Amino acid sequence: QQPVQSPQAVILREGEDAVINCSSSKALYSVHWYRQKHGEAPVFLMILLKGGEQKGHEKISASFNEKKQQSSLYLTASQLSYSGTYFCGTVPDIGSQGNLIFGKGTKLSVKP
Amino acid sequence: DAGITQSPRHKVTETGTPVTLRCHQTENHRYMYWYRQDPGHGLRLIHYSYGVKDTDKGEVSDGYSVSRSKTEDFLLTLESATSSQTSVYFCAISRLAGVTNEQFFGPGTRLTVL
Repeated sequence: QQPVQSPQAVILREGEDAVINCSSSKALYSVHWYRQKHGEAPVFLMILLKGGEQKGHEKISASFNEKKQQSSLYLTASQLSYSGTYFCGTVPDIGSQGNLIFGKGTKLSVKP
Repeated sequence: DAGITQSPRHKVTETGTPVTLRCHQTENHRYMYWYRQDPGHGLRLIHYSYGVKDTDKGEVSDGYSVSRSKTEDFLLTLESATSSQTSVYFCAISRLAGVTNEQFFGPGTRLTVL
């Protein structure tokens, strides 16, 4: 039931792009993305709803493919400040009481 | 920043002792959550609350209990701490149910059970 994130880790140079994927074995109602810097709390990035449009946040955007039960997070022209661990949280279409189920995270490191 | 505080921020305790962690919010949000975070597991839901005195179990609730007597406070209790409960504990709040609403996380409590 826990969504699977890939890759587990990625190293980028400043200015490079990255894609982080989140896949579920269950039909999803929504997908949430969070970023956590080392030693800090997770911070909300965006929510994608079933039937909704692709969302964006600065140079970070995401898509949600309902049929494939997966979401992708796109980081464009990465900056040092993008370093951290990215978590997707999924809400299954039924039976979850609206609670998030988080993936294990993708560690992103951006180097100068 | 959402007004969420957690106390204590760090605690070391011994196996078998009771431990209570406190989450306090100033946002008057209805929903409150307790998660634990362990390497290789991500964030896992322990218990949640959808109102005063309304609580329910999450994915990893065994060995934990919660109470919410006021909107602003959500307490997590380890009745008899075990070494497997060594973890970082995060409280989160949400104005509405998590389906369409972001959760705001507190700073976390690092608990070590010896």
